[in-house]
Amino acid sequence: DGGITQSPKYLFRKEGQNVTLSCEQNLNHDAMYWYRQDPGQGLRLIYYSQIVNDFQKGDIAEGYSVSREKKESFPLTVTSAQKNPTAFYLCASSNSVVTPLHFGNGTRLTVT
Amino acid sequence: AQSVTQLDSHVSVSEGTPVLLRCNYSSSYSPSLFWYVQHPNKGLQLLLKYTSAATLVKGINGFEAEFKKSETSFHLTKPSAHMSDAAEYFCVVTNSNSGYALNFGKGTSLLVTP
Repeated sequence: DGGITQSPKYLFRKEGQNVTLSCEQNLNHDAMYWYRQDPGQGLRLIYYSQIVNDFQKGDIAEGYSVSREKKESFPLTVTSAQKNPTAFYLCASSNSVVTPLHFGNGTRLTVT
Repeated sequence: AQSVTQLDSHVSVSEGTPVLLRCNYSSSYSPSLFWYVQHPNKGLQLLLKYTSAATLVKGINGFEAEFKKSETSFHLTKPSAHMSDAAEYFCVVTNSNSGYALNFGKGTSLLVTP
């Protein structure tokens, strides 16, 4: 079955370290997204990519970086510049603008 | 510009009673609207979508929603709640002029009691 795989499910890091979250999809979708979820705040868009080798900042891109070297992969790096990185991170993909997003099962990042 | 407001942060119902989760939207263009469900520590799953076809949209697990342009609403309903419906529900709005921007509501937590 097609889907989105996020790994790892739980991730723990020390403050000051960069960390990379993996997102892979086999849905052949052009667009991929990273969202951050905090309790009571819904989902906020970090970055999105419509095609390979191209990506745009979302609403809360500061302290994050991404790459899109392959259609299937859209890794997110949480840098030490991110002031409050502890959160649940969700990766998603879609085929066009108004088709629904398909979500991975998320990575819960804890930074201490 | 577009936005969505989920009117209740928490809703509690008894098993077997109706569910109503309220969502109001604003959009400068004809909107596309979605409802997603999220179980604890999981990703979001699409329940149903409205994209300018029939105003009454049927989704999975017995849920449905009605698009009411005059009221700018897209409320989610289910005739009879099941224990497994307990989850977080998100209303989402987008439109063809917003590029890839989707606006999520802050979510409604549904509690189902026996």
